[in-house]
Amino acid sequence: AQSVTQLDSQVPVFEEAPVELRCNYSSSVSVYLFWYVQYPNQGLQLLLKYLSGSTLVESINGFEAEFNKSQTSFHLRKPSVHISDTAEYFCAVKGRGGSYIPTFGRGTSLIVHP
Amino acid sequence: DVKVTQSSRYLVKRTGEKVFLECVQDMDHENMFWYRQDPGLGLRLIYFSYDVKMKEKGDIPEGYSVSREKKERFSLILESASTNQTSMYLCASREGTFGYEQYFGPGTRLTVT
Repeated sequence: AQSVTQLDSQVPVFEEAPVELRCNYSSSVSVYLFWYVQYPNQGLQLLLKYLSGSTLVESINGFEAEFNKSQTSFHLRKPSVHISDTAEYFCAVKGRGGSYIPTFGRGTSLIVHP
Repeated sequence: DVKVTQSSRYLVKRTGEKVFLECVQDMDHENMFWYRQDPGLGLRLIYFSYDVKMKEKGDIPEGYSVSREKKERFSLILESASTNQTSMYLCASREGTFGYEQYFGPGTRLTVT
């Protein structure tokens, strides 16, 4: 069994400030980890993923996430946010070779104020 | 790029109607999924299909059924729509059982009155 907890339902922040969206998971097997982003009135799209190798993964628009196995976390960070980063962010976990159904967190709404 | 399309962006139906939501993907993916998304509840899995004519119940299958007659198409059916099925419905596809990320459609916002 696996579960995902996104600790903050809403994160307000000012433009150009740093942000961290927290994600913790539990699983009885090794996992793959994902962050998806959902802009208003759109479907989800993959932001970044951890499959293996380096525990720090980056997206093309400046976000990064670090896999921390001992703390079972996969927090998402950006050093300086833009208005256009306003969106819903979902963390997801999928077991490696176990159940092929991913589990999603409840989402964190990032609200960037000018 | 993978493209997942859903037949309608917005839909309004009456209580008791039979409702069909269609999803089509163009990348020959084996796995397809239907979720509903509600504020504060995130994504909840309704049904998934790991291949043609195969289907498995997700976490909240009650009141829904699915059909997958062709690999590219996965339909969600509300047998008798009720107001508590008013929601955003998201379809997704994935390359295979050991595939990685999912590809999502734009969603259908269904209102049942």
